[in-house]
Amino acid sequence: DTAVSQTPKYLVTQMGNDKSIKCEQNLGHDTMYWYKQDSKKFLKIMFSYNNKELIINETVPNRFSPKSPDKAHLNLHINSLELGDSAVYFCASSQAAGTGEEQYFGPGTRLTVT
Amino acid sequence: GEDVEQSLFLSVREGDSSVINCTYTDSSSTYLYWYKQEPGAGLQLLTYIFSNMDMKQDQRLTVLLNKKDKHLSLRIADTQTGDSAIYFCADPSGSNTGKLIFGQGTTLQVKP
Repeated sequence: DTAVSQTPKYLVTQMGNDKSIKCEQNLGHDTMYWYKQDSKKFLKIMFSYNNKELIINETVPNRFSPKSPDKAHLNLHINSLELGDSAVYFCASSQAAGTGEEQYFGPGTRLTVT
Repeated sequence: GEDVEQSLFLSVREGDSSVINCTYTDSSSTYLYWYKQEPGAGLQLLTYIFSNMDMKQDQRLTVLLNKKDKHLSLRIADTQTGDSAIYFCADPSGSNTGKLIFGQGTTLQVKP
């Protein structure tokens, strides 16, 4: 019954590797997001897709590439991982992209780059 | 650019009231939000307030909005140990894309 799920929950990898994080929502929402939470708990939006179309693309290194195969899924692929990529990555979804829409968050993926 | 600021830590005794404060810079947003993050979990929407309101009460939660000073506060009455969490203030920054600008989060510690 999980509304927004992410896999994996934990990811430990070495610098230079390529990894993907997957997100799925079963709420029937049109909009999905990726956020990054650093070690100081600071939370910042990275990307957003609305109906599979990219609508938010913050200043993020192009090593990060989101992909939305359908409305229910938004994956995050990261190339050439760096130590500074270590963080918790949260996926979220909302009914639509407008202001006033509640965002539902997944449990997070803790990425550790060694 | 848009900015949202919160104090980082608050410690209270069980049964006391907690007040978490937030200041923001973008005054064009229609709503302002409070999210709660429990340890090891994602964020959950706790409450929100329309920008044309001064106050909103929801059971033990009271949100106060001072638009002139761009100040938002969250009061939790009769704070319980289960309220221990990180509380984030969030501002949609006036955009219609769903983008939220979060404060740094206030860690609330409730001592028995």
